[in-house]
Amino acid sequence: GEDVEQSLFLSVREGDSSVINCTYTDSSSTYLYWYKQEPGAGLQLLTYIFSNMDMKQDQRLTVLLNKKDKHLSLRIADTQTGDSAIYFCAETNMNTGFQKLVFGTGTRLLVSP
Amino acid sequence: DAMVIQNPRYQVTQFGKPVTLSCSQTLNHNVMYWYQQKSSQAPKLLFHYYDKDFNNEADTPDNFQSRRPNTSFCFLDIRSPGLGDAAMYLCATSRDLTSGEIVQFFGPGTRLTVL
Repeated sequence: GEDVEQSLFLSVREGDSSVINCTYTDSSSTYLYWYKQEPGAGLQLLTYIFSNMDMKQDQRLTVLLNKKDKHLSLRIADTQTGDSAIYFCAETNMNTGFQKLVFGTGTRLLVSP
Repeated sequence: DAMVIQNPRYQVTQFGKPVTLSCSQTLNHNVMYWYQQKSSQAPKLLFHYYDKDFNNEADTPDNFQSRRPNTSFCFLDIRSPGLGDAAMYLCATSRDLTSGEIVQFFGPGTRLTVL
């Protein structure tokens, strides 16, 4: 079955860049997503990328996709303390007819002043 | 604002006492999902409704049921909650794939405690 892996923890200083990595196994993935979850809250969609793209930039966020290696990364520029949260990578393929998301284990980002 | 609403945000129940969690949406999406997220784990899909068609994941326990009386509302029923069912329950919605939209919108979640 599909499997999505992430490193568990990342700590950075305010103002630095953060890079959160994700690997996946499903070669038929069509869309890949990054969601943010703050404590006790639901999931907030940050950005997504279609599998035929290599890169997508959205303000402070840059997503890089290496489809050959099945590797996805999220770069947050000028990281702020408000970026502290858990970040989930998720993949889906459209072959099932509905959007089944498979989530990674989540990376806890801690931003210190 | 169009949104996904979950009530209550916090629910406490007793071991074995049936409980119902509620989700409503103003997005007019035809697909609704229920996820279970245990502490420090990824969300796991329990089932989804495609319009009125119910689709259960293969490993979802029989203890979990769902109802969708209309487009806007979807309920999660836990018939006999066990201690292992304590979790955050997330509702999400999306359009079907023919719409070309490929994003799921999540509610804030209901945290269930089982005593």
